[in-house]
Amino acid sequence: KQEVTQIPAALSVPEGENLVLNCSFTDSAIYNLQWFRQDPGKGLTSLLLIQSSQREQTSGRLNASLDKSSGRSTLYIAASQPGDSATYLCAVRHYGGSQGNLIFGKGTKLSVKP
Amino acid sequence: ETGVTQTPRHLVMGMTNKKSLKCEQHLGHNAMYWYKQSAKKPLELMFVYNFKEQTENNSVPSRFSPECPNSSHLFLHLHTLQPEDSALYLCASSQDRGRGQNEQYFGPGTRLTVT
Repeated sequence: KQEVTQIPAALSVPEGENLVLNCSFTDSAIYNLQWFRQDPGKGLTSLLLIQSSQREQTSGRLNASLDKSSGRSTLYIAASQPGDSATYLCAVRHYGGSQGNLIFGKGTKLSVKP
Repeated sequence: ETGVTQTPRHLVMGMTNKKSLKCEQHLGHNAMYWYKQSAKKPLELMFVYNFKEQTENNSVPSRFSPECPNSSHLFLHLHTLQPEDSALYLCASSQDRGRGQNEQYFGPGTRLTVT
């Protein structure tokens, strides 16, 4: 059974710091991995999607890497800002189901202090 | 805005009530999803619809009844819920291009409280 783990569960950093969020998954049979952002009480905003054949994706200050064989992904945020404060969710699209089901981690709650 | 809207945004209902959640997508997608997000738990997939046909039911209790009249609209009918059903219910849509090639776009969610 596919399981997704995110460490740490919560992280607090001062503004301007570079940081790394970690995601691990137990079964490498995935189509892709997606990082989302969720603000309190809100829906999910997709940040980056990495196909299983790719090693990394970049968008602005965000860089996500994928090592499928070891079951790991990282989300790197450069020069963090208070507006980056949110919960970051990692999800893998696992083989199985009609659509390739998304399996989510519990998230990392990030707080960037001015 | 992601192009996926959900109403209502907040709902409080008693255990004997019947209510419905609505989701609408304006992206021309052919697949729609219901997820449940409870406190301190990962998002859980509930139902998947592809071209209006239900293709996935993730062992959801029958007190949750989905309806997909067309590819743009998805409903979740609720009846005789339990307090543990209180959660954020998220709708998503995607364009299914074959296995795995379907990035999902999420709505803002409906915060449901069952009293």
